[in-house]
Amino acid sequence: GDSVTQMEGPVTLSEEAFLTINCTYTATGYPSLFWYVQYPGEGLQLLLKATKADDKGSNKGFEATYRKETTSFHLEKGSVQVSDSAVYFCALLNSGGYQKVTFGIGTKLQVIP
Amino acid sequence: DTAVSQTPKYLVTQMGNDKSIKCEQNLGHDTMYWYKQDSKKFLKIMFSYNNKELIINETVPNRFSPKSPDKAHLNLHINSLELGDSAVYFCASSPGQLSNQPQHFGDGTRLSIL
Repeated sequence: GDSVTQMEGPVTLSEEAFLTINCTYTATGYPSLFWYVQYPGEGLQLLLKATKADDKGSNKGFEATYRKETTSFHLEKGSVQVSDSAVYFCALLNSGGYQKVTFGIGTKLQVIP
Repeated sequence: DTAVSQTPKYLVTQMGNDKSIKCEQNLGHDTMYWYKQDSKKFLKIMFSYNNKELIINETVPNRFSPKSPDKAHLNLHINSLELGDSAVYFCASSPGQLSNQPQHFGDGTRLSIL
């Protein structure tokens, strides 16, 4: 079945540091890939997405590139802010299914001033 | 305007009670979901409905019963609550069954069992 492997946190960074959160996946077919962000006390919000190989999703300074050859979708940001502190989820949606999204375990990011 | 809204936001109750959580979406989506998030933030799908019909039913105790009166609403009723039911429950919606569009989530219902 489909699976998403995401680095475990927590990840603690100083403000303005470079962020990478690794995500790899296993899926049949051609899934769409997503990063969601969950701020404390809130629901999940879509951060960015990519629907085919080599697509780059970007939003709010975050980027991720859909790499089919390495089955990866790593999240990056060049300079994090305290307001980026949240839990980040990598997810995939397989094209053949009933919109059943497979989520990674979530990576907690804490940015300190 | 809130796209996916859940009520209540917090629910504290005793073991053995029966409770319901309501969810409504105003996005015109065909598909709705219930997820359970445990204390370690792990997110697990429970149910999915498409146009009022059940399409995903993961291994969930039959104490949990979803009900979809119309495609804009998906409620979750839980009988005989147990300590292990303590979690955050999220409702979500998406355009349709075979779409590759992302899901939209509510803010969650924090259920605490005493």
